[in-house]
Amino acid sequence: EVQLVESGGGLVQPGGSLRLSCEASGFTFSSYSMNWVRQAPGKGLEWVSFISSGSGTIYYAASVKGRFTISRDNVKNSLYLQMNSLSDEDTAVYYCARDYSRGVDHWGQGTLVTVFS
Amino acid sequence: SFELTQPPSVSVSPGQTASITCSGGKLGDKYVSWYQQRPGQSPVVVIYQDTKRPSGIPERFSGSNSGNTATLTISGTQAVDEADYYCQAWDNSTAVFGGGTKLTVL
Repeated sequence: EVQLVESGGGLVQPGGSLRLSCEASGFTFSSYSMNWVRQAPGKGLEWVSFISSGSGTIYYAASVKGRFTISRDNVKNSLYLQMNSLSDEDTAVYYCARDYSRGVDHWGQGTLVTVFS
Repeated sequence: SFELTQPPSVSVSPGQTASITCSGGKLGDKYVSWYQQRPGQSPVVVIYQDTKRPSGIPERFSGSNSGNTATLTISGTQAVDEADYYCQAWDNSTAVFGGGTKLTVL
């Protein structure tokens, strides 16, 4: 069974940093591209970042480019999102999502990031 | 920038057919996925590559994509289908989600 378990969310002040992790199991992690997708409270889904299976291709949404860094460790079966210079607009549930056929076929349960002043 | 437009809400009676549209420039040239999200839960893919249904998704869910519009169709809608639905496609190096459609079954 595919499992994606996010961690690292919490409360942070504006301008602060946070590192999210996603531990994958139940599939060959190194064979799949991965995404981070977020959802602000009461709002829709917003794609954040993509990383290919071997980390050779990385994309970011314009709203986070230059502030967020996606990475992965295929030995540890883990996906990461380093978030710097956080603002109120980054408050959201962050989902780890497995890429499949130009879409997402599995989602984690999400981890909540709250930026408060 | 590329955008996907969905109606904010759609209502349907139980047993009837619900259609949710997703519009974007030359969308028919791209693969579209659809996701169902019930309150308090993570999204679940119900259609990928325009028309394909993952294992475990009921046959009443189907998709199409042509021109500038993709459509998610739910035949014989059931109360359990009440949820938010999002379309998604890639435009070059950016993944884009539609704003979401709240499906009400009443």
